[in-house]
Amino acid sequence: SYVLTQAPSVSVAPGRTARITCGGDNVGGKSVHWYHQKPGQAPVLVIYHDDDRPSGIPERFSGSNSGNTATLTISRVEVGDEADYYCQVWDSSSDHWVFGGGTKLTVL
Amino acid sequence: QVQLVESGGGVVQSGRSLRLSCAASGFNFNSAIIHWVRQAPGKGLEWVAVVSYDIAHKYYSESVKGRFTISRDNSRNTLYLQMNGLTFEDTAVYYCARQHSSGYYGPLDYWGQGTLVTVPS
Repeated sequence: SYVLTQAPSVSVAPGRTARITCGGDNVGGKSVHWYHQKPGQAPVLVIYHDDDRPSGIPERFSGSNSGNTATLTISRVEVGDEADYYCQVWDSSSDHWVFGGGTKLTVL
Repeated sequence: QVQLVESGGGVVQSGRSLRLSCAASGFNFNSAIIHWVRQAPGKGLEWVAVVSYDIAHKYYSESVKGRFTISRDNSRNTLYLQMNGLTFEDTAVYYCARQHSSGYYGPLDYWGQGTLVTVPS
């Protein structure tokens, strides 16, 4: 089955840039979506189709996807960006939807 | 606005059954693909099952295949998850989520707030 790999945690100072990666075999050939989830809340879509932003998501959030790595970039990080971030793809070979293990973003 | 409201969670003994519901509003439920996704305490998101708008296609994760059944009643704008043979490992918050209109390769664009299922060890 298809696997997406994320680092368990990323730390960044306020105002700096955070990069959260999502690794998978030829993930660049898939459409990657990103969600953030704050404690006790449901996940919220922040980036879809690799680099599109839903309405209401700040321009500070961007995405890229190439080769074996997809990346969520958060510029000018704010304390309010602290959350768990998950990547997700559809594996067409199995008709399974796959989530990465999640990355906890800490804003120091 | 789009709303998904889960219900039916609770404490259930190992080996027993439980049925979850997800009431949808604010969009054309009849044309939407809907998922169940769960999250064990302190763990990440795990996709569980999906059903197409016309119930013609259903897919399950390996961890629930043969035990869980996803269904929907388009006349009631409601999604269901029948869970049989529950084990401790099924303890989780269960979310329903809508598939974006771009198809299977699109994101899950709206999520409910979840309902907690607890299977004591």
